[in-house]
Amino acid sequence: GENVEQHPSTLSVQEGDSAVIKCTYSDSASNYFPWYKQELGKRPQLIIDIRSNVGEKKDQRIAVTLNKTAKHFSLHITETQPEDSAVYFCAASMGGTSYGKLTFGQGTILTVHP
Amino acid sequence: EAGVAQSPRYKIIEKRQSVAFWCNPISGHATLYWYQQILGQGPKLLIQFQNNGVVDDSQLPKDRFSAERLKGVDSTLKIQPAKLEDSAVYLCASSLGTSNQPQHFGDGTRLSIL
Repeated sequence: GENVEQHPSTLSVQEGDSAVIKCTYSDSASNYFPWYKQELGKRPQLIIDIRSNVGEKKDQRIAVTLNKTAKHFSLHITETQPEDSAVYFCAASMGGTSYGKLTFGQGTILTVHP
Repeated sequence: EAGVAQSPRYKIIEKRQSVAFWCNPISGHATLYWYQQILGQGPKLLIQFQNNGVVDDSQLPKDRFSAERLKGVDSTLKIQPAKLEDSAVYLCASSLGTSNQPQHFGDGTRLSIL
């Protein structure tokens, strides 16, 4: 089955700096890659996703890049703010062949210091 | 639009007891997922329904866990008998379909086994 590795496990930045979280996946058939933000005690919230026919997607301060050849994808957050502090999870799916099943990474605890 | 509803929010039971969780997905969402999230880890899929049929239960410990989705809307997840290692947050998610549709999560049920 699919395996997703996520790094780093913890990330500490100063407000205004950029943050980058990287994930690698094992199955080349994976074609959908969402990112979730989870604040303490709350539900995971989808913040951005990318499909395999696109190399990059941006939404305001958040961007995701995908390298299908290397089987890795990254989340980029620019101009970080204290409210960006949370746990971030990447995930991968093979779409229809796996009925949309998501395999999650282990998570990255992001702390943004004011 | 109302989100995914789950109840209860918290449950404390002793080992070997039974427990049930309830989920009401977003209206119109055909696909429903139950995930187990152990502290410090990413969510792990337990079972996935497409309407009222099971499409993936490969990671469900079937000797103690069961789930149903009668009429293709609400779903219940049951554990009987519970073990200490079942302590986790049980998340329900739903999506429009299975082909790389965004999954939306509920707040989860935090289960503690004594």
